[in-house]
Amino acid sequence: EPEVTQTPSHQVTQMGQEVILRCVPISNHLYFYWYRQILGQKVEFLVSFYNNEISEKSEIFDDQFSVERPDGSNFTLKIRSTKLEDSAMYFCASSPGQGNRETQYFGPGTRLLVL
Amino acid sequence: KQEVTQIPAALSVPEGENLVLNCSFTDSAIYNLQWFRQDPGKGLTSLLLIQSSQREQTSGRLNASLDKSSGRSTLYIAASQPGDSATYLCAPSSNTGKLIFGQGTTLQVKP
Repeated sequence: EPEVTQTPSHQVTQMGQEVILRCVPISNHLYFYWYRQILGQKVEFLVSFYNNEISEKSEIFDDQFSVERPDGSNFTLKIRSTKLEDSAMYFCASSPGQGNRETQYFGPGTRLLVL
Repeated sequence: KQEVTQIPAALSVPEGENLVLNCSFTDSAIYNLQWFRQDPGKGLTSLLLIQSSQREQTSGRLNASLDKSSGRSTLYIAASQPGDSATYLCAPSSNTGKLIFGQGTTLQVKP
């Protein structure tokens, strides 16, 4: 069964460094999402992406964050200058059609630790 | 702003029991609602999707209901098994597809 994959599974970085989290959505899906979960807290929406554009972003998704679909398969989340509070599990998700009608399928996550 | 609450926060039951997990949301203008399972330190596995026009959705031993007007959804698990132990999350969707998650119900099923 097709699934969303994410790399790396764990990343440790120093405060102020740039990180790129990578996702390979399910191949025929058109809508892509990033969510995050700080330890012990709720899963939070960051951004949705369709047709090579951001559809919606949350207030968390400030100028330090960016997303890109550099080729036909990868979907990336970049954090330009990491802060301690960026430490979280980051989940990528995809759906075949618009997420208000279709199931969103989540990847296994990347655990980011900022020191 | 949509707020999602799940009750109870934690539940421990003996194997074989039928149980109900509750989810309430403040904004009834949702488009669908997904129930997920999350194992410790792992990703989210989608269990059921209910469209806003539906009242109920079933998959195996799982049955989810939705009462959009009262802002409630329930997940019914029949004949619980130790392998059902996990955190269960509900997430209604806005018109843009954004999912808003509850804190979850952590279920432990004892053999």
